[in-house]
Amino acid sequence: DAKTTQPPSMDCAEGRAANLPCNHSTISGNEYVYWYRQIHSQGPQYIIHGLKNNETNEMASLIITEDRKSSTLILPHATLRDTAVYYCIVRAENSGYALNFGKGTSLLVTP
Amino acid sequence: DTGVSQDPRHKITKRGQNVTFRCDPISEHNRLYWYRQTLGQGPEFLTYFQNEAQLEKSRLLSDRFSAERPKGSFSTLEIQRTEQGDSAMYLCASSLTEGGYGYTFGSGTRLTVV
Repeated sequence: DAKTTQPPSMDCAEGRAANLPCNHSTISGNEYVYWYRQIHSQGPQYIIHGLKNNETNEMASLIITEDRKSSTLILPHATLRDTAVYYCIVRAENSGYALNFGKGTSLLVTP
Repeated sequence: DTGVSQDPRHKITKRGQNVTFRCDPISEHNRLYWYRQTLGQGPEFLTYFQNEAQLEKSRLLSDRFSAERPKGSFSTLEIQRTEQGDSAMYLCASSLTEGGYGYTFGSGTRLTVV
């Protein structure tokens, strides 16, 4: 699985868009980008994933650069409940059983 | 069926004791995973079941650890002769597919070894 690099922490004001970056310069053509988040004292929660096209669902948008070497998770209107650790994971769809979470980005949404 | 259930939520044990955790996955999910998470780190993969078959074990799963999933339903993770280094959150997840999406995690069992 390709290695990912995320900033250790970020702040965002409530109501603003939170843009969480992820670098994955060694990504292979068949590897997807997955985002999970973990709210304190809970297990990780799946957010969104994509291959090369931008994706949007009810939780977030995922923007993947054309060269696929980086991506951005966008929470359009962050709320206090979005305070969590966000993990960017890169792997091929059926490449095994493990998700490699890394350390993620700790997002603090402030009032 | 509201999600993945783990029991207990917290466990404090003395070094050298055995502990067992239980995970009840989402009923239609045939894939079940155990992860371990220490403070400040992301979850680390321990083992994977497809139905009742244990198909993958991480090198983190020492011989003091054993996991079972009888009849492909609930799963148990046992740690024998606990050590202080075993203190962590133990997370269970289940899924329908092998893809990286759609995993549903439980809230975990926090183990403290004193």
